[in-house]
Formats: sequence, structure tokens, C-alpha cells
Amino acid sequence: SAVISQKPSRDICQRGTSLTIQCQVDSQVTMMFWYRQQPGQSLTLIATANQGSEATYESGFVIDKFPISRPNLTFSTLTVSNMSPEDSSIYLCSVEDYSHQETQYFGPGTRLLVL
Amino acid sequence: QKEVEQDPGPLSVPEGAIVSLNCTYSNSAFQYFMWYRQYSRKGPELLMYTYSSGNKEDGRFTAQVDKSSKYISLFIRDSQPSDSATYLCAMSGGKLIFGQGTELSVKP
Repeated sequence: SAVISQKPSRDICQRGTSLTIQCQVDSQVTMMFWYRQQPGQSLTLIATANQGSEATYESGFVIDKFPISRPNLTFSTLTVSNMSPEDSSIYLCSVEDYSHQETQYFGPGTRLLVL
Repeated sequence: QKEVEQDPGPLSVPEGAIVSLNCTYSNSAFQYFMWYRQYSRKGPELLMYTYSSGNKEDGRFTAQVDKSSKYISLFIRDSQPSDSATYLCAMSGGKLIFGQGTELSVKP
């Protein structure tokens, strides 16, 4: 199984600022995923990040707001730009689980509070 | 209508009780069905994974899928305080779609 770490684990930010979240995997993976988990809500996929190509964003999420980098097969970053209190959420990265088709391993999450 | 519906709870049971967690879905294209467990301040971890209709058992956990009714369940036998967590159903027909999660508390 993949071991995923995220930095920071939590942060409190002022509105209008940006925060970059890092995701590190202990093995090479093709696809990495970024999710948002708002209080009382289900996990919502923000985008899929493939190494060497532009991230693919889901409906309702745009690159200007959530730019993603994927410089190699073990690392990705998600930036939450020009933050507002509505961006307060848990942000999770995940990778494919090759032992179980269609399933994913998740990182511990980054808890973001925007004031 | 949401693609996946899950009762958010919270659900509180005494230790040793049988717990039943349920999800309904609307998309017939879903082929893979999963249950994730999420402890407080942790990421979700895969608990059960099924592909077809029927039951799958793993220790105290049983996952049940009824594709004809578009209904999946997770049963926990002899529940323990360590089972206290949020349980998320998820299903896939190309990408993962999650239920809202049910918060379970097992009291000693």
C-alpha cells in the first residue's frame, strides 16, 4: 500500500491570501487526485493530476482558483488562491490503489480555516 | 438528486451491537462499491471492496450489494469502541463518488 504525506496538516489563513498544499507519495504513481471535504459534506473531486500534463478539473473547479503542479511521479501541489471563508475545508490527496481496481489511497488531509 | 445518498447520522450504539450502514445510488453505471472508514483527523482508509451483487465478509464486517435495488450496506457485528468513526460509501464507474458519510459512535 502507498504511504501518503501532506503538508501542512492544518493552517489558519486570512482571506485574500493563497496556500500551497504539498502531497508526497512513497512510490511512483501515474495519477494523483485532489479532493475537498467540507464539514458535513461528502468528498468532492477537485482535479486529477497526471505527471507531464495539465491537470483535469471537475465541474465547478477552475485552474485559476486551484492551480496544481505535478513535477514528478511522487509529488504534487494544490494551491488554494485568493481564499475566502468558503474555502475552509479539508483538502485530501489520493493515489490509485493498484491492488483494487477503481479504489484509492488517501493522505491524512490538510485542514484549512480561512478567516 | 444526488448520485449517492447516505444517512449522515450520527449513529450511537452500545458495544457489542450490530450496526447497519446504508447507501442508495441512482447511476446504473456504477460497477465497483466500497466502504471507507475515516477516523477523526485522518484520511479515509479502504475497509471493504466489492464488485458484484451479493455479500462479502471480512471478519466482523460484511458488505452487501443489491444492484437491482441500487442499494449497498455495511454490517458491523460485535461493534467495538474502536469502530467509532465516520463510514463513507463510495462507488465507481470511472471516478469515485462518495456518500456524505455516517458518523458512528460505539459506547463502552
